Amino acid sequence: NAGVTQTPKFRILKIGQSMTLQCAQDMNHNYMYWYRQDPGMGLKLIYYSVGAGITDKGEVPNGYNVSRSTTEDFPLRLELAAPSQTSVYFCASSSEETQYFGPGTRLLVL
Amino acid sequence: KQEVTQIPAALSVPEGENLVLNCSFTDSAIYNLQWFRQDPGKGLTSLLLIQSSQREQTSGRLNASLDKSSGRSTLYIAASQPGDSATYLCAPGMDSSYKLIFGSGTRLLVRP
Repeated sequence: NAGVTQTPKFRILKIGQSMTLQCAQDMNHNYMYWYRQDPGMGLKLIYYSVGAGITDKGEVPNGYNVSRSTTEDFPLRLELAAPSQTSVYFCASSSEETQYFGPGTRLLVL
Repeated sequence: KQEVTQIPAALSVPEGENLVLNCSFTDSAIYNLQWFRQDPGKGLTSLLLIQSSQREQTSGRLNASLDKSSGRSTLYIAASQPGDSATYLCAPGMDSSYKLIFGSGTRLLVRP
């Protein structure tokens, strides 16, 4: 079991560029989540999904989009990157309650 | 809107001490509460999960308590070790989607 995997580990984007952060889990979990963590802060929920084909907004969804076409994958799309999106992005999954986190993607927007 | 506060923000203790980390939340309508550990530059590791109907959970030297009605949880670490040095995050789980609302964490340093 690889658990929750995220790619890339680190990326530098220019303002206005777009990119997709990949997240995959091999635990057959229905629930998946995207969080961002700014320096010295806790995590804030961006989007979440309770199953394939179902997504919903979290606390800070502006500037992001998600899709959930399969149980395993939950990509996060950034359109028109802005410096305010510089952060560490964590993907998580759960079968019911305990959430398991990926290692994170560090994103720098310049 | 749920708001989570963790006190203290940072804590430095000598090895062997018992310590308590505090977490408070404003909305008591939670499904559960999780405590996580985060090492620098790493992801989060779940330490303990307390159901909303439970009062406490124990795992090894860790004990977490929950007082839902007063909006408080504590994480007790017994006989602290340098390897316990990390940031500890508290996160109530909201509604049936189990989405988490995080506090800013307590940064713990255990000195040898």
